[in-house]
Amino acid sequence: GENVEQHPSTLSVQEGDSAVIKCTYSDSASNYFPWYKQELGKRPQLIIDIRSNVGEKKDQRIAVTLNKTAKHFSLHITETQPEDSAVYFCAAYQAGTALIFGKGTTLSVSS
Amino acid sequence: EAQVTQNPRYLITVTGKKLTVTCSQNMNHEYMSWYRQDPGLGLRQIYYSMNVEVTDKGDVPEGYKVSRKEKRNFPLILESPSPNQTSLYFCASTGTGSGNTIYFGEGSWLTVV
Repeated sequence: GENVEQHPSTLSVQEGDSAVIKCTYSDSASNYFPWYKQELGKRPQLIIDIRSNVGEKKDQRIAVTLNKTAKHFSLHITETQPEDSAVYFCAAYQAGTALIFGKGTTLSVSS
Repeated sequence: EAQVTQNPRYLITVTGKKLTVTCSQNMNHEYMSWYRQDPGLGLRQIYYSMNVEVTDKGDVPEGYKVSRKEKRNFPLILESPSPNQTSLYFCASTGTGSGNTIYFGEGSWLTVV
């Protein structure tokens, strides 16, 4: 089955800096890679996703890159703001199989 | 409006008293799943279901049961709850096509004393 590793587990940055979170996956058949943001006590919310036929996707300050050969994908947040502070989860998925998440990264942005 | 609805949202119960957490989705999704979330351990999958009458164990199924008699409902059953099942539980659903958005319920806070 799929295994997703996520690093780092915690990340502290200054407001305005960039933050990068990396995930690796084991099943080369996985073809959908979403990223979720979770604020304390709330449900995870989708912030960006990428499919296996795309190498990079951007949405304002957030971008995701995918390297299928190396089986890793990364979340990039530029110009971080205090409201970006949350737990971020990556996932790797193939339709018809279990949806597996990484263990999460706690991002703290200090002003 | 697309929704995944869980009930109850908050529950304190005693060891050994059977309980059921319900999950219902209105999007005609084939795939439904239960996760528990504990500090530092992320979202761990308990059980998932690809369709009606098809269920599979996730990473942490011990102490839990599920059923999928209807497409829209996927209840999580704790036959004899124990304190180590105190956790935040999330239900999720998605279609089985490629790249479908995954929807989460609001979560159920369960405390077993």
